[in-house]
Amino acid sequence: GNSVTQMEGPVTLSEEAFLTINCTYTATGYPSLFWYVQYPGEGLQLLLKATKADDKGSNKGFEATYRKETTSFHLEKGSVQVSDSAVYFCALTARQGGKLIFGQGTELSVKP
Amino acid sequence: EPEVTQTPSHQVTQMGQEVILRCVPISNHLYFYWYRQILGQKVEFLVSFYNNEISEKSEIFDDQFSVERPDGSNFTLKIRSTKLEDSAMYFCASRVGVEGYTFGSGTRLTVV
Repeated sequence: GNSVTQMEGPVTLSEEAFLTINCTYTATGYPSLFWYVQYPGEGLQLLLKATKADDKGSNKGFEATYRKETTSFHLEKGSVQVSDSAVYFCALTARQGGKLIFGQGTELSVKP
Repeated sequence: EPEVTQTPSHQVTQMGQEVILRCVPISNHLYFYWYRQILGQKVEFLVSFYNNEISEKSEIFDDQFSVERPDGSNFTLKIRSTKLEDSAMYFCASRVGVEGYTFGSGTRLTVV
């Protein structure tokens, strides 16, 4: 079946460090891929998305590239801030408009 | 920016009691979802709802669960006889097009 696997957390970084959170997926066909962020005490917010191979999603300094050859969608940011501390979820939909399938989430903690 | 509103934010109930979790989706959205997140675990799909009927449900969504859109604005999730393992954060989501899910802030359900 379709699934998403993320690197385990928590990830602790110093402010201005480079961030990578790995995400790989298993899906038939051509899924759409997403990163969602959950700040403490809040709901899920869409961070970025990509709907086809080689697409790059970007938002707020975060980027992720849809790599079909490696079935990956790794999240990166060049310089993290304390305010980026949150839980990050990689997700896919196996067909347009279908249900979201989430990875287990990666907690990021950024220290000043 | 339009929001998905969930009430209550936190509900405590005794085992065996019925609970109703309420959601007001974005007004022009057509597809509605419930997800849940057990503490520290991944976000899991429960059910999707379109055109006044369930379009897909997971194996978690057994006979104890039901959904309803009673008045064209609210979207409710009912658990008939709660169990301890139903304790989780429940998220409502809605969308209008093939992408663009919007999540609510969630209801934390605690079954004691």
